[in-house]
Amino acid sequence: EAGVTQFPSHSVIEKGQTVTLRCDPISGHDNLYWYRRVMGKEIKFLLHFVKESKQDESGMPNNRFLAERTGGTYSTLKVQPAELEDSGVYFCASSQDFSFGGKVNTEAFFGQGTRLTVV
Amino acid sequence: AQKVTQAQTEISVVEKEDVTLDCVYETRDTTYYLFWYKQPPSGELVFLIRRNSFDEQNEISGRYSWNFQKSTSSFNFTITASQVVDSAVYFCALSERRRRTGTASKLTFGTGTRLQVTL
Repeated sequence: EAGVTQFPSHSVIEKGQTVTLRCDPISGHDNLYWYRRVMGKEIKFLLHFVKESKQDESGMPNNRFLAERTGGTYSTLKVQPAELEDSGVYFCASSQDFSFGGKVNTEAFFGQGTRLTVV
Repeated sequence: AQKVTQAQTEISVVEKEDVTLDCVYETRDTTYYLFWYKQPPSGELVFLIRRNSFDEQNEISGRYSWNFQKSTSSFNFTITASQVVDSAVYFCALSERRRRTGTASKLTFGTGTRLQVTL
């Protein structure tokens, strides 16, 4: 089974340009999360999709960030225009929650991340 | 608000030594989950363990063991007889446990501990 995949693995862009990051979750996973790690700091939540709906976007830093998940499959995160402080590693994670017989399965599986550098 | 503190930024040990990674958390939630993830040099976050706040039993999986103590809000991770392949950044994370479904929500991460195991 393929894991969570993210494209590109690295991106270097100039301040003011636009960048689009893509995440393909594990097939069948309804939950899709975006996180970001700025250099040396903690990994911070950006937003959460359940299928194609935004469940929680409380972590989105500002309106320069736009996330979509059309059709409830892959997701894109666009930064427009990019600023220097947007540099960091952007992680995507997916999960498929279920409860059965008292057992709960709820782990999030992460991709390898996209390292974004804005210069 | 939730908070996870990993006070050890970097730890260096010689192979076969035991090492403990500390994690202290804060939450107002009465039920929650705690996680550990490993980030090897390849970049992806690899799920290691999920612990329910109801269950304070310690867990052992091969050379890995976890000590959850609710009284001190700690969830420490011990690697016994460390190996070079254990070299990675380790993240502790916390999530609310949704009451209706028992599933996890977004993760709050610590800043990570970089473990270097040398020969």
